[in-house]
Amino acid sequence: QVQLKESGPGLVAPSQSLSITCTISGFSLTSYGVHWVRQPPGKGLEWLVVIWSDGSTTYNSALKSRLSISKDNSKSQVFLKMNSLQTDDTAMYYCARHGSTMITTGAWFAYWGQGTLVTVSA
Amino acid sequence: DIVMTQSQKFMSTSVGDRVSVTCKASQNVGTNVAWYQQKPGQSPKALIYSASYRYSGVPDRFTGSGSGTDFTLTISNVQSEDLAEYFCQQYNSYPLTFGAGTKLELK
Repeated sequence: QVQLKESGPGLVAPSQSLSITCTISGFSLTSYGVHWVRQPPGKGLEWLVVIWSDGSTTYNSALKSRLSISKDNSKSQVFLKMNSLQTDDTAMYYCARHGSTMITTGAWFAYWGQGTLVTVSA
Repeated sequence: DIVMTQSQKFMSTSVGDRVSVTCKASQNVGTNVAWYQQKPGQSPKALIYSASYRYSGVPDRFTGSGSGTDFTLTISNVQSEDLAEYFCQQYNSYPLTFGAGTKLELK
């Protein structure tokens, strides 16, 4: 079955960078895009970025300068990197699978990872 | 960016009631709206996509409706397990955006 699982450092110091990995199973990264969404504690959801099956990307322009996404199809892993973290980047970071194999449709999320909590603190 | 407004942060209900959660888009998004349920400590779970299509396994007491800018998630015969937070999401254009959420609570 389709599964996604995030792994991350837990705690990051202010101004440092964050690297999170999403390991997937039950589908292929060459067929589906994978998105990143974050949720600060007690708050709403914010979409960050997607990497498409062909390796192209679409970023939230509000965060584009600080974000980088990549993937390793053979290892079924997607990588998110964020630079210059501040306290308001403290959030649960989720990866989620695109709803269809077509880029132009289905950008809703039937499959989510469990999330990895990232706390930005000295 | 398209703003999705869920004007009610909290809604009170009783088991067996019918409740409607609303979501308004700042511009026309067609029927490119999904609804999610989230319980504390859990990831969001998809309920509705394309505004009115129930996702696999979702009980039929959950119904989505609307098009254009106004959308509604209706829960009929509310059960105790439905007490959760509900988010709408538009996927008509990027960046994808979510409503701020509506928490369903017991009266």
